[in-house]
Amino acid sequence: GAGVSQSPSNKVTEKGKDVELRCDPISGHTALYWYRQSLGQGLEFLIYFQGNSAPDKSGLPSDRFSAERTGGSVSTLTIQRTQQEDSAVYLCASIRAGDSRAYNEQFFGPGTRLTVL
Amino acid sequence: AQRVTQPEKLLSVFKGAPVELKCNYSYSGSPELFWYVQYSRQRLQLLLRHISRESIKGFTADLNKGETSFHLKKPFAQEEDSAMYYCALGPSGSARQLTFGSGTQLTVLP
Repeated sequence: GAGVSQSPSNKVTEKGKDVELRCDPISGHTALYWYRQSLGQGLEFLIYFQGNSAPDKSGLPSDRFSAERTGGSVSTLTIQRTQQEDSAVYLCASIRAGDSRAYNEQFFGPGTRLTVL
Repeated sequence: AQRVTQPEKLLSVFKGAPVELKCNYSYSGSPELFWYVQYSRQRLQLLLRHISRESIKGFTADLNKGETSFHLKKPFAQEEDSAMYYCALGPSGSARQLTFGSGTQLTVLP
């Protein structure tokens, strides 16, 4: 079956512009994560959606970052007034949440490489 | 605070040689540890998790709570093992997100 998809695969933008990154999770996966992967760094957690619950935004680095998930499926990460330090690979992952006994495997998308000039 | 440390950014070994990728963690609760791998031009994927006590592609990892380590080992490395390896710790916070290390790029030389 289809895995997690993300678009665009690459995005080059100018400093100060807004960008939108899209994630399509695996069908039936109720939980969705956004991570940021910067050069030489690990993956940094940004935001989490689970079903109809309020999202956990504790990882968002500033109020320029926001995300929404419509209909419990597709998610969009928006970065306003982009800065050069926002340049990174943005990864989306989904899981088949619901098993409280063990942590479910996270399925990652291919990522969006964002370059802010 | 929860933290994962992978001390080696780069690691090179020859084909057939043993390989060990180091991972140390700090966590006050009962940890769940994972290794994720990213092959060239492929997406990040789960390699193994400590609760399964499994061996995947010849790799094993043992959780050592005394040393707070979860090193990844393989007795005989293959060229196809060349990839970026991330150690991850979970869950964390209400989101049950993973805390990732900075990764180790493994190169297996012919």
